[in-house]
Amino acid sequence: AAGVIQSPRHLIKEKRETATLKCYPIPRHDTVYWYQQGPGQDPQFLISFYEKMQSDKGSIPDRFSAQQFSDYHSELNMSSLELGDSALYFCASSLGFGQGGTGELFFGEGSRLTVL
Amino acid sequence: QKEVEQDPGPLSVPEGAIVSLNCTYSNSAFQYFMWYRQYSRKGPELLMYTYSSGNKEDGRFTAQVDKSSKYISLFIRDSQPSDSATYLCAISRYSSASKIIFGSGTRLSIRP
Repeated sequence: AAGVIQSPRHLIKEKRETATLKCYPIPRHDTVYWYQQGPGQDPQFLISFYEKMQSDKGSIPDRFSAQQFSDYHSELNMSSLELGDSALYFCASSLGFGQGGTGELFFGEGSRLTVL
Repeated sequence: QKEVEQDPGPLSVPEGAIVSLNCTYSNSAFQYFMWYRQYSRKGPELLMYTYSSGNKEDGRFTAQVDKSSKYISLFIRDSQPSDSATYLCAISRYSSASKIIFGSGTRLSIRP
């Protein structure tokens, strides 16, 4: 079965540079979530989109932005990168009860960002 | 205070032992409770998903929710080395299209 696809899997950037992470949700899933997981930390919710509209916002820095496109893939854009942005960034997707799903979040393998 | 608290461990038990993992949460508005398993360098994988108080069993895993004391547990019977991972409890207000709040995760190691 198709899973959540994230790219790139690994990314190395310098301070103050910009990075873009991509997420391709499971087909038919209506919600996409972005989480940030620092070393030894629990995943922190950043932002989510339901049917291409922002549905919830968590601890996402102003330097970060995200959007979901017409084909349902999502991109997380990070600018003015700081050392503290080094983390695993997970994308997850779900299909709500109203659409015949369970609301369960399926996570991708993550994109590991290293800021030097 | 974090909305969900979890002992980070690490927890090391011998193969075959019963493992008990626990979390507490602070807000009674949370109605959906989950346990995720995360292997190193992998994304979290849903193990159990429960709504309201009570027990839910799936193979060697049992999830228990006590909403009156805001306490959730995961029991693993006949633990195997392949169960070695970080286990994250998670809570949510709604069943879908809603953010999930994770506990800090408990690192579990099963000794052969």
